[in-house]
Amino acid sequence: DIQMTQSPLFLSASVGDSVTITCRASQSISSYLNWYQQKPGKAPNLLIYAASSLQSGVPSRFSGSGSGTDFTLTISSLHPEDFATYYCQQSYNRPPYTFGQGTKLELK
Amino acid sequence: QVQLQESGPGLVKPSGTLSLTCAVGGGSITTSDWWSWVRQSPGKGLEWIGEIYHSGSTNYNPSLKSRVTISVDKSKNQFSLKLRSVTAADTAVYYCARDTSATFSNEYNWFDPWGQGTLVTVSS
Repeated sequence: DIQMTQSPLFLSASVGDSVTITCRASQSISSYLNWYQQKPGKAPNLLIYAASSLQSGVPSRFSGSGSGTDFTLTISSLHPEDFATYYCQQSYNRPPYTFGQGTKLELK
Repeated sequence: QVQLQESGPGLVKPSGTLSLTCAVGGGSITTSDWWSWVRQSPGKGLEWIGEIYHSGSTNYNPSLKSRVTISVDKSKNQFSLKLRSVTAADTAVYYCARDTSATFSNEYNWFDPWGQGTLVTVSS
């Protein structure tokens, strides 16, 4: 299985800050990397697919980059509704699809 | 706009079988998409269980393959999950999701949309 490792696992920030979350794959996955946002009690919601493509309806302050083994999700100018848990997921090789452990973004 | 809705018992006895159904609304299950199950144990991350195509082809997570069956009912526009010999470790919120794709230079896949999720507790 391809292991996905996120860092940091916890992140404290303030409204208006810019933050970056990193996801590393255990082998090269080209650009087969997706990012999801999950709020408490809700299902994950797709933000970014194919490493850098913004899902329709997702604010442009979210951006993704990377290829191979190293990827980043950047949120510029945090809004109050952005405080949530973020997961990366590889779609390079299945079965199985695999997810990162999640990064919880908390309000400082 | 496709919407997914999970249903099934919220409590299953140890050694029993967990059975869930995902109803697909607003679209047909017979598109070129796959249809997945993903679970999330309390306070934990996301684990992909497996998926099915409308033809009946399946892919399963090797870690669960011996206990999982996913099936499709095209007449009802729904797909189902059965997980046998459950233990407390199978207690989780179970989500169904569409595994959709698009071709740029290559074919890329992602999960969208997701159902709201249903909590299944394994307990006597």
